[in-house]
Amino acid sequence: KAGVTQTPRYLIKTRGQQVTLSCSPISGHRSVSWYQQTPGQGLQFLFEYFSETQRNKGNFPGRFSGRQFSNSRSEMNVSTLELGDSALYLCASSSLGGAEAFFGQGTRLTVV
Amino acid sequence: AQRVTQPEKLLSVFKGAPVELKCNYSYSGSPELFWYVQYSRQRLQLLLRHISRESIKGFTADLNKGETSFHLKKPFAQEEDSAMYYCALGADHSGAGSYQLTFGKGTKLSVIP
Repeated sequence: KAGVTQTPRYLIKTRGQQVTLSCSPISGHRSVSWYQQTPGQGLQFLFEYFSETQRNKGNFPGRFSGRQFSNSRSEMNVSTLELGDSALYLCASSSLGGAEAFFGQGTRLTVV
Repeated sequence: AQRVTQPEKLLSVFKGAPVELKCNYSYSGSPELFWYVQYSRQRLQLLLRHISRESIKGFTADLNKGETSFHLKKPFAQEEDSAMYYCALGADHSGAGSYQLTFGKGTKLSVIP
């Protein structure tokens, strides 16, 4: 069974730009969660999608958004990028949104 | 609000020595506790969950609700155990079955040959 796949693996963007990250969950998994990992704050929950609906959202500004498609693939978007958005963004999938999550390798975003 | 604390950023032990990675949590409800591990250049992966009460790669963890702890233990450390270990608490805040993981800051375990 293929694991969680995130694309791209690396991104460099300029302040003020927007970015879209993609996540393909494990086949059959309908829940996709996103996390931000930084050296200072560690791993922080962004949001969770299940059957194309956002069910849960962390404490991040509205510049961070996401969506999920009918095939369970998910994208997250960050608009008006700031230097502080530089981080590793991790996607995790689970079968029913349970706490046992399987993580992708992440997309490393650098904002310059 | 829930919180997970891992007091040690770095833990160095000799091969064959016992290992204990500490994790304390605060949460008003019934928590689901997990240990995740990240080996060098690999993705974050689930090591243990408290519900299963099983031993993985020789590691065990017991949930102590009285002390609000979920320490990870292994009697004899191996070099291949060197990795970053994260304790995590899963909770459903949405009421819709959507679990959110709250992670500790992690402990880097270094096993000295």
